[in-house]
Amino acid sequence: DSGVTQTPKHLITATGQRVTLRCSPRSGDLSVYWYQQSLDQGLQFLIQYYNGEERAKGNILERFSAQQFPDLHSELNLSSLELGDSALYFCASSVEVLDTQYFGPGTRLTVL
Amino acid sequence: SQQGEEDPQALSIQEGENATMNCSYKTSINNLQWYRQNSGRGLVHLILIRSNEREKHSGRLRVTLDTSKKSSSLLITASRAADTASYFCATDKQAGTALIFGKGTTLSVSS
Repeated sequence: DSGVTQTPKHLITATGQRVTLRCSPRSGDLSVYWYQQSLDQGLQFLIQYYNGEERAKGNILERFSAQQFPDLHSELNLSSLELGDSALYFCASSVEVLDTQYFGPGTRLTVL
Repeated sequence: SQQGEEDPQALSIQEGENATMNCSYKTSINNLQWYRQNSGRGLVHLILIRSNEREKHSGRLRVTLDTSKKSSSLLITASRAADTASYFCATDKQAGTALIFGKGTTLSVSS
């Protein structure tokens, strides 16, 4: 158990819908990262927050957005969902940047 | 674009044998990390090696880093069936902080 929690574990929804994925980092970790894992693209970095501020952006679609709250938990919002958004979404956290990133168990999103 | 590339893509061995996986990357890095993923589950951090380190050990794991060749290797000694998983190397570009993953090596250990 890495100490990073993610909810929900599984999410099944329809095209065009909007969902919110939630992540609680390890106690004391200031940095939160979101990654997407799909069969064709592999593991891709989406976005990073550090102590509430956006720090870095990767291959995140405009339909996706995220934020980190004052209690350091983070949410990833996915809207206008398409079939191709079906994937495993992981959250990771680290104490500081350039430290070990610890991954949560992931949320499996299925878009029908 | 892919930063790290693992080799081989798949590896099948018997229990007790050693398993070696290699990772090559393209740009300068601060750290290189190895992760394990059991089928469809979360990533488990195995080891982090910094760019100024050449070798690191953790239990049955040995990681080497050659920054001149931009490559790393992960050696698992005396493998067990429980080591069956996918193994990923992940690097951070020197100027950034996000991890860039390779496609992974799928290791299968049979008893």
